[in-house]
Amino acid sequence: GAVVSQHPSWVICKSGTSVKIECRSLDFQATTMFWYRQFPKQSLMLMATSNEGSKATYEQGVEKDKFLINHASLTLSTLTVTSAHPEDSSFYICSAQDGTHNEQFFGPGTRLTVL
Amino acid sequence: GDSVTQMEGPVTLSEEAFLTINCTYTATGYPSLFWYVQYPGEGLQLLLKATKADDKGSNKGFEATYRKETTSFHLEKGSVQVSDSAVYFCALDQTGANNLFFGTGTRLTVIP
Repeated sequence: GAVVSQHPSWVICKSGTSVKIECRSLDFQATTMFWYRQFPKQSLMLMATSNEGSKATYEQGVEKDKFLINHASLTLSTLTVTSAHPEDSSFYICSAQDGTHNEQFFGPGTRLTVL
Repeated sequence: GDSVTQMEGPVTLSEEAFLTINCTYTATGYPSLFWYVQYPGEGLQLLLKATKADDKGSNKGFEATYRKETTSFHLEKGSVQVSDSAVYFCALDQTGANNLFFGTGTRLTVIP
C-alpha cells in the first residue's frame, strides 16, 4: 500500500513552453501533497505544500506564478512549470500524506529537461 | 537555518561488509531525524526514524542513533547485501509539521 505515482517519468521540452507533471496517490487519499525539486548532487528542496481544495503554500523563493500547483482531488496533484527555461531543468519529486499518518509517501520523480 | 550534511558518495562495498553513512545536522530545536532509501526507479521510502535524543531507529538490519551531543544520526548496517544498493537520504523535521530537510543523498553499491 501507500503507492504514489508520477507522470511522466521524464520530459524534454523547448524553452518557453509549459509542462504539466501529475502526482497520484494510488491506494489512499492524500489530504496533503508536497512538491520538491532536486538539482544534481544537491538536496531535495521543498517547493510547496498543497492541501486538497485549497491554494498551495509556497516556500520562500519559489515563484508561484511559474510553478502552478493544483490539488483538485484527494488523489491527484499537478505541477505546471510555465514558460519553462533551461534553468528549470531539474528532478521534480512529489510526496503525499494521508490524514491519519504523519508520514510522507514519495513518488519516483520526474526529470525535466528544457532545451 | 536547519540543514543536514551527509557523507558524499558513491560508496562501494562488498557483500557482507560493514556500512556506515555519516549524517550530521544543524537545528535550533529538537528535530525528528529520518533515513530514507530510494531504490532504482522507485520513490523515497522511510527506512527508519528517531524522534528524541538517544533514540535508536532500526529497520531491515539498519540502525541509527540520535546523538544530540554530536548532532549526528549515522546510518549503520553490520552486513550489507546486494539488494541494499540504493541511494540513502538523511533528513530532519524541525516543526513536526512534516517539513523535511534532506541531505544530498549517498549512493551505495554493494557488489557480490
